[in-house]
Amino acid sequence: EVQLVESGGGLVQPGGSLRLSCAASGFTFSTYWMHWVRQVPGKGLVWVSRMNSDGSTTDFADSVKGRFSISRDNAKNTLYLQMNSLRAEDTAVYFCTREGLVATSPHGFFDYWGQGTLVTVSS
Amino acid sequence: QSALTQPASVSGSPGQSITLSCTGTSSDVGGYNFVSWYQQHPGKAPKLMLYDVSKRPSGVSNRFSGSKSGNTASLTISGLQAEDEADYYCSSYTSSSTWLFGGGTKLTVL
Repeated sequence: EVQLVESGGGLVQPGGSLRLSCAASGFTFSTYWMHWVRQVPGKGLVWVSRMNSDGSTTDFADSVKGRFSISRDNAKNTLYLQMNSLRAEDTAVYFCTREGLVATSPHGFFDYWGQGTLVTVSS
Repeated sequence: QSALTQPASVSGSPGQSITLSCTGTSSDVGGYNFVSWYQQHPGKAPKLMLYDVSKRPSGVSNRFSGSKSGNTASLTISGLQAEDEADYYCSSYTSSSTWLFGGGTKLTVL
């Protein structure tokens, strides 16, 4: 069974940093591109970042570019999101999600999601 | 990077068919078939309902179907059921190698 379990959320002051983790199991993690998506409670989904399967390629939403970084440890089946210079508007539930494959190619959709971890940026 | 445009709410009676729209631009919805739809119940993670515009993952009811015309994608739910009441989000890959979601549509089953 595919499982994605996020951790690392919590309360942080504006300007602070936080690192989120996503532990993956039930599939060959090193084969899949992985993403982070966030959602302000009661609001819509917003794509944040993605990393390809071997960690050589990353992309970010403009709203987090230069402040957030994404990484992965394929030996530990874990995805990370390092969040620096946090702002109040970064407050959200952060979901880890897997990009689905068609044949062996990533196809731009998210087939499995974690339950999310809440990040609150407030003084 | 503006969100894709979805109606805020749609409602229908059990057994009816409803269609949710998702409008983007030629740089996202209109330019790629990497359009997907997600169902989210309150307090839950999103669930993939359709990918590549119209393909259903294993386990998703064939009451859910999708299409695209120009810059607008659509999700149709036929034979509406009470359990279909949820928020629905569309998503598209973009020419900037990023992804956009729609603002979401709240579906109410009357």
